[in-house]
Amino acid sequence: GENVEQHPSTLSVQEGDSAVIKCTYSDSASNYFPWYKQELGKGPQLIIDIRSNVGEKKDQRIAVTLNKTAKHFSLHITETQPEDSAVYFCAASKPGRRALTFGSGTRLQVQP
Amino acid sequence: DTAVSQTPKYLVTQMGNDKSIKCEQNLGHDTMYWYKQDSKKFLKIMFSYNNKELIINETVPNRFSPKSPDKAHLNLHINSLELGDSAVYFCASSPTGSLSTNEKLFFGSGTQLSVL
Repeated sequence: GENVEQHPSTLSVQEGDSAVIKCTYSDSASNYFPWYKQELGKGPQLIIDIRSNVGEKKDQRIAVTLNKTAKHFSLHITETQPEDSAVYFCAASKPGRRALTFGSGTRLQVQP
Repeated sequence: DTAVSQTPKYLVTQMGNDKSIKCEQNLGHDTMYWYKQDSKKFLKIMFSYNNKELIINETVPNRFSPKSPDKAHLNLHINSLELGDSAVYFCASSPTGSLSTNEKLFFGSGTQLSVL
């Protein structure tokens, strides 16, 4: 089955710096790659996603890039703010697979 | 108005007991899920139901039995609880279950289960 690896497990940055979280997936049939943000005591929430026919997608301070050849995708957060502090999960899915396979999560801490 | 609500939020119980977690969604979605998040934050799919029909059962012990009385509800019953069952259990829903087509998963706020 699909395996999604995520790095780093923890990331601490200063407010205003950029943060990058990386994921790799194993199943070349995967074609949908969302990112979820989980704040303390809450369920994960979708923040951005990308399909395999697109190399990059941006939404204000967050962007996601995809390298299909390397089976690798990344989340980029620019101008980080303390409210960006949370656990971030990458995930992957493929046609016919009615569930997301999540990475192991990255705890991002933005120091004010 | 909460979209995906699950109860209870916290559940503390003894080993060997049987307990249930309830989940309801008011989004009109066809597909509901149970995910387990362990102490290391790893999120793993347990079950998926589409219109009351079991779609995914991911090598979960048969002590775990989901029940979907209608498409807006998916409950999780756990028999003979073990220490290793301690985790946060998340209910989620999506419109049709076609997650490879940009469908969004909506999560509940989780049930923290502690087995003593």
